[in-house]
Amino acid sequence: DGGITQSPKYLFRKEGQNVTLSCEQNLNHDAMYWYRQDPGQGLRLIYYSQIVNDFQKGDIAEGYSVSREKKESFPLTVTSAQKNPTAFYLCASIPYTGAGQPQHFGDGTRLSIL
Amino acid sequence: RKEVEQDPGPFNVPEGATVAFNCTYSNSASQSFFWYRQDCRKEPKLLMSVYSSGNEDGRFTAQLNRASQYISLLIRDSKLSDSATYLCVVNSYSGAGSYQLTFGKGTKLSVIP
Repeated sequence: DGGITQSPKYLFRKEGQNVTLSCEQNLNHDAMYWYRQDPGQGLRLIYYSQIVNDFQKGDIAEGYSVSREKKESFPLTVTSAQKNPTAFYLCASIPYTGAGQPQHFGDGTRLSIL
Repeated sequence: RKEVEQDPGPFNVPEGATVAFNCTYSNSASQSFFWYRQDCRKEPKLLMSVYSSGNEDGRFTAQLNRASQYISLLIRDSKLSDSATYLCVVNSYSGAGSYQLTFGKGTKLSVIP
């Protein structure tokens, strides 16, 4: 079955630690996105990538980094510079960037501070 | 500033009721519009796209008013399984050939037996 797989489902970060969230898709989609959702809040864009080896900052990129070495994979690293990392992280993809394209999401990773 | 505004609710309605959600958006150049459904502690899932002429999918009807920058979702004959948060989502051109989605904070619906 085609889809977007995020792992792990739950992740705990210690003070000063970097952690990496995985997002893999086998849909052959060009564009991939990372969002953060806080309780009672809308989704906020962290980073996005339209093609391999290229990515752009979203609205809240500080304290995060990404890479896009393969079309299928778009990992997100939450660095120690992100002082409030506790949130629900969602990865999404679309076939290609364009108007009229709804995004489809993975089932998310919940990150908490130890 | 790009914004999508929704009434947060909660809307508590009895089974079988009709309920309507409204959403306004600030970017007049927005291109496309969607309603997503998000269950508690789950990812958002696409419910339906919203077309200029209005569109219907079973018990769900979506309307778009570009002049007023307003989107609506009507749910008829509410079921217990409709209980969720409904997200209004707007797709706008963000430059350099890319489009971005802006999400409302969602409207919570609870359908009561």
